[in-house]
Amino acid sequence: GAGVSQSPRYKVAKRGQDVALRCDPISGHVSLFWYQQALGQGPEFLTYFQNEAQLDKSGLPSDRFFAERPEGSVSTLKIQRTQQEDSAVYLCASSPGTGNYGYTFGSGTRLTVV
Amino acid sequence: GESVGLHLPTLSVQEGDNSIINCAYSNSASDYFIWYKQESGKGPQFIIDIRSNMDKRQGQRVTVLLNKTVKHLSLQIAATQPGDSAVYFCAENINRGFKTIFGAGTRLFVKA
Repeated sequence: GAGVSQSPRYKVAKRGQDVALRCDPISGHVSLFWYQQALGQGPEFLTYFQNEAQLDKSGLPSDRFFAERPEGSVSTLKIQRTQQEDSAVYLCASSPGTGNYGYTFGSGTRLTVV
Repeated sequence: GESVGLHLPTLSVQEGDNSIINCAYSNSASDYFIWYKQESGKGPQFIIDIRSNMDKRQGQRVTVLLNKTVKHLSLQIAATQPGDSAVYFCAENINRGFKTIFGAGTRLFVKA
């Protein structure tokens, strides 16, 4: 597609519920990133994929967070047993190569845990 | 859409004036720097980048200046327009790494 597409746009989850957030990167982009953005803050790195390989997951806050990109295109970020502190905007970004480039971000999924 | 940067530093400028947004970074190993613009309800949008072997780079209406001695980065916007109103983030990569680290952001408000 023309840009990075994320769904759903908004998600309200009850505490303890599992959620899955989807990212469709720009076609052919090798690198895919997930970031978490709390209100009033800059995005914080969660994880990085190069094709289907998850090369860095050092930013995932806990073992409740899991990301995958099984075929090297679409990616899913899953959060198990959601907590109120998980409420944030989850941003996906992609870039064409593996070097230093500016990313193309999606519009994000706003997750609210009640 | 939701608001971005409710409690961020704010720069208010008159339409047509030039804007300068400043950013300090802390890691001397940072070698690639990017400025992003984020409008409410949207993801960050790439504006301009600069590598550590340069001290200035110009784009369309925007200029980025890098001072490695004092670890300072600035974004200059010429002839600021209402459409430039947004939150601006500086970001850095370290040691040719792929991970981008974002700063806290500055809200730019353009008065018509």
